[in-house]
Amino acid sequence: ETGVTQSPTHLIKTRGQQVTLRCSSQSGHNTVSWYQQALGQGPQFIFQYYREEENGRGNFPPRFSGLQFPNYSSELNVNALELDDSALYLCASSLGAAGNNEQFFGPGTRLTVL
Amino acid sequence: DAKTTQPTSMDCAEGRAANLPCNHSTISGNEYVYWYRQIHSQGPQYIIHGLKNNETNEMASLIITEDRKSSTLILPHATLRDTAVYYCIPNFGNEKLTFGTGTRLTIIP
Repeated sequence: ETGVTQSPTHLIKTRGQQVTLRCSSQSGHNTVSWYQQALGQGPQFIFQYYREEENGRGNFPPRFSGLQFPNYSSELNVNALELDDSALYLCASSLGAAGNNEQFFGPGTRLTVL
Repeated sequence: DAKTTQPTSMDCAEGRAANLPCNHSTISGNEYVYWYRQIHSQGPQYIIHGLKNNETNEMASLIITEDRKSSTLILPHATLRDTAVYYCIPNFGNEKLTFGTGTRLTIIP
């Protein structure tokens, strides 16, 4: 077990709705990254937060946004949900101070958009 | 980040060494090679990483060719719990990982 937790485990939403997914990082980890994993594919990098500031973004539209809080928790928000947003969403935490660190992944939130 | 080529799937007998190859011929000089695995219904798990030299830890060994165009992950004594998808990921150490489709390793009893 990595110590990274995510909630909820599963979620069902309808197209056009908004969703917030939550992640609790390991204590002391000041970097959190979010990934989207479609069925049968590898995870795709969404964005990374370091000390509460966005620190890099993958090829995802602005309706994917995030927040990182001082208590090692973070959120992924997705607005105007589309059917293709159905996926497993993973967060990963790391020390991040000097880079080249092992990332610790949570178990993920499975989002289904109907 | 460099592109990678990995076998889609491999089988290995329990107790034997599992050797997972990865081709990363376009890797940059300062890109590390990371290996992660994902057991069914779990998040990915870090295994090992290296730059030029071979590396070993309690989970695995990583052999990187001298020209750095390919590498091999070795699980020395595979167990059923090693059944997973294994990802080879070149990365500059910025922790923004680019996963491919990986190799599905099945350990056969």
